[in-house]
Amino acid sequence: GAGVSQSPSNKVTEKGKDVELRCDPISGHTALYWYRQSLGQGLEFLIYFQGNSAPDKSGLPSDRFSAERTGGSVSTLTIQRTQQEDSAVYLCASSLRGGIMNTEAFFGQGTRLTVV
Amino acid sequence: EDQVTQSPEALRLQEGESSSLNCSYTVSGLRGLFWYRQDPGKGPEFLFTLYSAGEEKEKERLKATLTKKESFLHITAPKPEDSATYLCAVRRPSGGTSYGKLTFGQGTILTVHP
Repeated sequence: GAGVSQSPSNKVTEKGKDVELRCDPISGHTALYWYRQSLGQGLEFLIYFQGNSAPDKSGLPSDRFSAERTGGSVSTLTIQRTQQEDSAVYLCASSLRGGIMNTEAFFGQGTRLTVV
Repeated sequence: EDQVTQSPEALRLQEGESSSLNCSYTVSGLRGLFWYRQDPGKGPEFLFTLYSAGEEKEKERLKATLTKKESFLHITAPKPEDSATYLCAVRRPSGGTSYGKLTFGQGTILTVHP
């Protein structure tokens, strides 16, 4: 597609439920990133994919958070047993290359998650 | 640990009143300093990448510059449509677990009044 696409754009869930957030990167982009932006806070790195593997998962806040990427394209961020502190905007970005040859990253519109 | 500090937190300008936003950074071996613009309810929009001290890039009313410790985003004769949050981010060398992830500052909220 023309840009990074994220779905859903908004998600309201009850505390304790699991949620899945989806990211479709720009076609041909090998690197994919997930970030989280809480109200009034900066962007917090969660995880980086190069192809289907995730060499950097250092930002995942707890074992309730996981992510996968299939076919070198679509990625899913899963949050299990959601808590109110998980409420934030989850942003996905992709770049043409990662690693040593990494290039600028382009962001999607984000998924606004609200845990009630 | 990489640190990025942006100032001011908020800036209010009159239309046509030029000013600058600051981004101070601490990173071992900078591999790119990035400026993004973010409108409310939207994802960050890429503006510029700077790689070495002395480098400058321009786009319309915006000019970004880079030194060894900081970057400036100069806004010349701003218009109300330039109102947004401007984010600065740094990328460190790849290797170990630092595979090119971006570390962002808190942003500067720019408001331009007509």
